[in-house]
Amino acid sequence: QQPVQSPQAVILREGEDAVINCSSSKALYSVHWYRQKHGEAPVFLMILLKGGEQKGHDKISASFNEKKQQSSLYLTASQLSYSGTYFCGTENRPSNTGKLIFGQGTTLQVKP
Amino acid sequence: DVKVTQSSRYLVKRTGEKVFLECVQDMDHENMFWYRQDPGLGLRLIYFSYDVKMKEKGDIPEGYSVSREKKERFSLILESASTNQTSMYLCASTRSGTGVWETQYFGPGTRLLVL
Repeated sequence: QQPVQSPQAVILREGEDAVINCSSSKALYSVHWYRQKHGEAPVFLMILLKGGEQKGHDKISASFNEKKQQSSLYLTASQLSYSGTYFCGTENRPSNTGKLIFGQGTTLQVKP
Repeated sequence: DVKVTQSSRYLVKRTGEKVFLECVQDMDHENMFWYRQDPGLGLRLIYFSYDVKMKEKGDIPEGYSVSREKKERFSLILESASTNQTSMYLCASTRSGTGVWETQYFGPGTRLLVL
């Protein structure tokens, strides 16, 4: 079943923060976050594992809450380059195929 | 630099035509995927392949078939294109055997319009 992302869309000014949530109706094993800029391919941001710690690079970080079956992506002090659509992809159990179920996406627009 | 390429960025076809979308990866990946992307629906898996000549249905396989004759190439076939197949089609690949640590690499997408 497709995970649910919220919000569907968000508009920010440069320097503001945003949180994007990804919720599953099933227990999660891993959550993968991707960003897709307009007209481009989705690009991998980070993976979070069941039992793992919060991850981040630069001013983008994410957490994984097993009990809530949810992951959150935190964008701090947003930059214009953060604009795009963010997808979470989930695995409910480990597999060798790398198959993910993606959410419907959250569109983020950062304005000057 | 890893690469997934798709044969066309834009394609216009007529209803009832047979359509071939090609995807090639140069990373020697075992797993390849075809998704369609529609506004508000995200990325939905059509088919995936975990080895040459092996395939599995995804969530929305109706109206589509696939072919994987060589490891690097994965083709999506619309047997008889219909207007409701107008969409963005994305191909992706990933390595096998190391489970959750592997990311999917995506191609640039093919925007298909069926008239």
